[in-house]
Amino acid sequence: DAKTTQPNSMESNEEEPVHLPCNHSTISGTDYIHWYRQLPSQGPEYVIHGLTSNVNNRMASLAIAEDRKSSTLILHRATLRDAAVYYCILRDVGYGGATNKLIFGTGTLLAVQP
Amino acid sequence: DTGVSQDPRHKITKRGQNVTFRCDPISEHNRLYWYRQTLGQGPEFLTYFQNEAQLEKSRLLSDRFSAERPKGSFSTLEIQRTEQGDSAMYLCASSLGGGGRYEQYFGPGTRLTVT
Repeated sequence: DAKTTQPNSMESNEEEPVHLPCNHSTISGTDYIHWYRQLPSQGPEYVIHGLTSNVNNRMASLAIAEDRKSSTLILHRATLRDAAVYYCILRDVGYGGATNKLIFGTGTLLAVQP
Repeated sequence: DTGVSQDPRHKITKRGQNVTFRCDPISEHNRLYWYRQTLGQGPEFLTYFQNEAQLEKSRLLSDRFSAERPKGSFSTLEIQRTEQGDSAMYLCASSLGGGGRYEQYFGPGTRLTVT
């Protein structure tokens, strides 16, 4: 799986939008962009994933650059519960038995201030 | 569906003892994964099952570690002759399919402390 680069930490205020960036300049055409988050003392939680087009779900939005070399996870209104480590991970589509595992980096620690 | 469950949530054992953890995936998921996470680090992949077949093992999975998934349902991870370096959070995840199209759902983890 290709490597991603994220800031070590970010801060946000409650009820404000948060934009978490991720760079993946060596992404291949068959790599999906996945985001997971991990709250303290819990297992990772799936947030969102996409391939080329922007994606929205009840938790967040994923904005993917036109060249796919970067993406941004958008939390529309941060709450205290959103304080977590956010991981951006690339995963191959999986044809021909490509890897199925998630390769976690160090992620971005998001602090949310009341 | 209640999601992925793991048992026990916490385990304290003495060095040299054997321990076994259980994971129950989401019922319709045929892929099951084990990860290990130490303090301050992201989870690291250990092994992966598709149904009952163990298809990939990490170099982290030494001979003291064994994982099974009989009948393609729940899975167990056993550590023999535990060492202090085995102290970590052991996470289980499941998915409906393999590859980037599918997300993985994680359990709450089993925290192992080896004294």
